[in-house]
Amino acid sequence: DAGVTQSPTHLIKTRGQQVTLRCSPKSGHDTVSWYQQALGQGPQFIFQYYEEEERQRGNFPDRFSGHQFPNYSSELNVNALLLGDSALYLCASSRRDSLSSNYGYTFGSGTRLTVV
Amino acid sequence: AQTVTQSQPEMSVQEAETVTLSCTYDTSESNYYLFWYKQPPSRQMILVIRQEAYKQQNATENRFSVNFQKAAKSFSLKISDSQLGDTAMYFCAFMKPRGQGAQKLVFGQGTRLTINP
Repeated sequence: DAGVTQSPTHLIKTRGQQVTLRCSPKSGHDTVSWYQQALGQGPQFIFQYYEEEERQRGNFPDRFSGHQFPNYSSELNVNALLLGDSALYLCASSRRDSLSSNYGYTFGSGTRLTVV
Repeated sequence: AQTVTQSQPEMSVQEAETVTLSCTYDTSESNYYLFWYKQPPSRQMILVIRQEAYKQQNATENRFSVNFQKAAKSFSLKISDSQLGDTAMYFCAFMKPRGQGAQKLVFGQGTRLTINP
């Protein structure tokens, strides 16, 4: 049973470019959340997708956008990259109807984005 | 808004010793969930233990246990008989219950734990 899969594992981009990160949730999961983890910091919530819609958004600018596909996989897009966007981007999945048991989320190993 | 504070940036103990990681949080909610996650160099967040605020009994998972003090808004993690594989970043996290919007995790800054042989 595959866990959460993220691609690519590492990425180097130039300021001003655009980037797309991908996430495949754990089998049976239908909800995907994205987190940004700057070096030495705790993860910060970017947004969550369920039923192909953005359900809640954290304190991130509109340069950050996302999408969820019918197979529950998700993409995170960042436009006009800034040096400060350099971070580990984590994808976490869950099954919505199990959240009442609140066993937290299953995380992927992340994509390390470096903006130069 | 909820906040989570971990006041110990780094800790180091000898193998087989017991270590306690501290976490405090701020919320006006009466019901919520608290978690400890471990992040080894592989970068993947691994759930260590969880606590439901409406349960007074402290959660335990093998060598891991918590001391949950709801009135003090404190949630510490105790690791007994520490092992080299426990070396990692540890994050305390807060989450509201389902039905109060999308369930997002609010993380602390983390504590880097090193277990020495």
